Amino acid sequence: SAVISQKPSRDICQRGTSLTIQCQVDSQVTMMFWYRQQPGQSLTLIATANQGSEATYESGFVIDKFPISRPNLTFSTLTVSNMSPEDSSIYLCSAGTSGYNEQFFGPGTRLTVL
Amino acid sequence: AQTVTQSQPEMSVQEAETVTLSCTYDTSESDYYLFWYKQPPSRQMILVIRQEAYKQQNATENRFSVNFQKAAKSFSLKISDSQLGDAAMYFCAYRSARVRGKLQFGAGTQVVVTP
Repeated sequence: SAVISQKPSRDICQRGTSLTIQCQVDSQVTMMFWYRQQPGQSLTLIATANQGSEATYESGFVIDKFPISRPNLTFSTLTVSNMSPEDSSIYLCSAGTSGYNEQFFGPGTRLTVL
Repeated sequence: AQTVTQSQPEMSVQEAETVTLSCTYDTSESDYYLFWYKQPPSRQMILVIRQEAYKQQNATENRFSVNFQKAAKSFSLKISDSQLGDAAMYFCAYRSARVRGKLQFGAGTQVVVTP
């Protein structure tokens, strides 16, 4: 299994600003992902963070709004840019094991945009 | 595109009793994986149980078991001998064997456990 930590655990931000969320995995994993969970909703995949190349974004999510970095096999960041109240959500980092049969999740970052 | 449907927004169960959560999915693929995740108020997503579509035998993990009906595209979760710590949101999820990593989640079912 993999233990995943995220920073910050929560934040309150002003409209128009940006926030970078960090995700650290305690072991080398091949795949890392970022999900969004809007209030009272299920999880939606934002993108797959690729090590050494640009992230792969899902439909409805763009790099300008959610730039992602993955400089190595255990660390990734997600930036929420030019925030609006609609971006208020929980953002979760996830990592896949070598067989991709399991995904482990971080504790999430609760973002509130005023 | 695959869709995952959980039709029960909330289920209530008494301690020590059994509750079954339903999940159906829509796919044209024959090879895939199905999961049940638990999300307690702490927000931590915890993998409860996993089922490979090519396996006919239903997966079991202690008090948790699934009823996998591939032809009906149904994947229900049974929680036996319910405990207060089982109270959480439960999400059913689908993953294609072709597309590594991407999980498609259902809307979730809130499980309430009463003493």
